[in-house]
Amino acid sequence: GAVVSQHPSWVICKSGTSVKIECRSLDFQATTMFWYRQFPKQSLMLMATSNEGSKATYEQGVEKDKFLINHASLTLSTLTVTSAHPEDSSFYICSADVGITDTQYFGPGTRLTVL
Amino acid sequence: QKEVEQDPGPLSVPEGAIVSLNCTYSNSAFQYFMWYRQYSRKGPELLMYTYSSGNKEDGRFTAQVDKSSKYISLFIRDSQPSDSATYLCAMSVSGGYQKVTFGIGTKLQVIP
Repeated sequence: GAVVSQHPSWVICKSGTSVKIECRSLDFQATTMFWYRQFPKQSLMLMATSNEGSKATYEQGVEKDKFLINHASLTLSTLTVTSAHPEDSSFYICSADVGITDTQYFGPGTRLTVL
Repeated sequence: QKEVEQDPGPLSVPEGAIVSLNCTYSNSAFQYFMWYRQYSRKGPELLMYTYSSGNKEDGRFTAQVDKSSKYISLFIRDSQPSDSATYLCAMSVSGGYQKVTFGIGTKLQVIP
């Protein structure tokens, strides 16, 4: 099946700093990638849809200036959490759509802890 | 009312049991239905994918979709301790790059 990687797998940072998370499709090209956030015992919450070569589409309530998304190529999307605060601590997961069937393949996730 | 309802469990079963996991939904426009397995601190892994109503089998896993009842199921035969994970149902309206709606996930524990 399609493989999606994420880097880093975990990160700890100080409040006020920015953190970049990379999402790569390893064996396929992904025109569309998705960024999710997952809190403990909760389901995946879609943050934004990332399209290669264009601006990301953010879900209602997600601050676009805080969560910067760049989909620079067909195999790489990045999420930058700017001026991170403890409430941004969460599990961030990306996924890639392999085609017309809406079947998404997920990365392993990145656990962000903001001190 | 949530678009997708799923009992979070936890569900504990003995090894070898048949497991039944279910989701109900309210949006009759959903046509694509998926089941994902998520181990703790990992990203979800696609298990099954079906289009419209019907059954689909893959090894020990069987997915069923009943669009008339807006009800989907995942059956796991001969459950193993390695099946212990959270199972998320997911669904979408149409093909293409459309939003997928996830259930909250059911935590399953298979006891040796």
